[in-house]
Amino acid sequence: DVIMTQSPVSLPVTLGQPASISCRSSQSLVYSDGNTYLNWFQQRPGQSPRRLIYRVSKWDSGVPDRFSGSGSGTDFTLKISRVEAEDVGVYYCMQATYWPYTFGQGTKLEIK
Amino acid sequence: QVQLQESGPGLVKPSQTLSLTCTVSGGSISSGNYYWSWIRQSAGKGLEWIGRFYTSGSTNYNPSLKSRVTISVDTSKNQFSLKLNSVTAADTAVYYCARGNEYWGQGTLVTVSS
Repeated sequence: DVIMTQSPVSLPVTLGQPASISCRSSQSLVYSDGNTYLNWFQQRPGQSPRRLIYRVSKWDSGVPDRFSGSGSGTDFTLKISRVEAEDVGVYYCMQATYWPYTFGQGTKLEIK
Repeated sequence: QVQLQESGPGLVKPSQTLSLTCTVSGGSISSGNYYWSWIRQSAGKGLEWIGRFYTSGSTNYNPSLKSRVTISVDTSKNQFSLKLNSVTAADTAVYYCARGNEYWGQGTLVTVSS
């Protein structure tokens, strides 16, 4: 299986400040069609995961543009330009290039 | 917008079979080139993809669970189901159904205990 490693595990952030989460995969996530199937999810307390970003950098509908994704190959980043209170939760990266699809262990974002 | 809802027993005894159903609304399971999935989340293993299928016929199971899992579909009811045999406490988790990896159900907690 492809191992997804996120850092940090815990991310305390002051409201209005930026935040960044790193995700590394154990092998390149470039698929044979040339696309990179790396997604980012947000899971608020008591809710199911919600996809924010797909294929590295594409926004899902309704996702605020303060969220952005970047990266290539095995190294990826989710950035929040200015953290708001509603951003509290756990963030996961997930690869959908190889079966079985796999998730990172999660990064818990909290407000300082 | 498509919506998914999981249903089934919240408590299963060890060695028995876990059975869950996902009911899809707002769209037909048979339409579009989507895959439909079961995913689970536990404190011990985090998020784990159980299996997926395309209504065109192909099905893939996570190799770690393949010997115990069956996913089936009932297009007439717009539902698909999960069966997991020979459960142990390690199968205690919140189980989600999803379309692709974009639309998820709210999840249902299944506890394996005698």
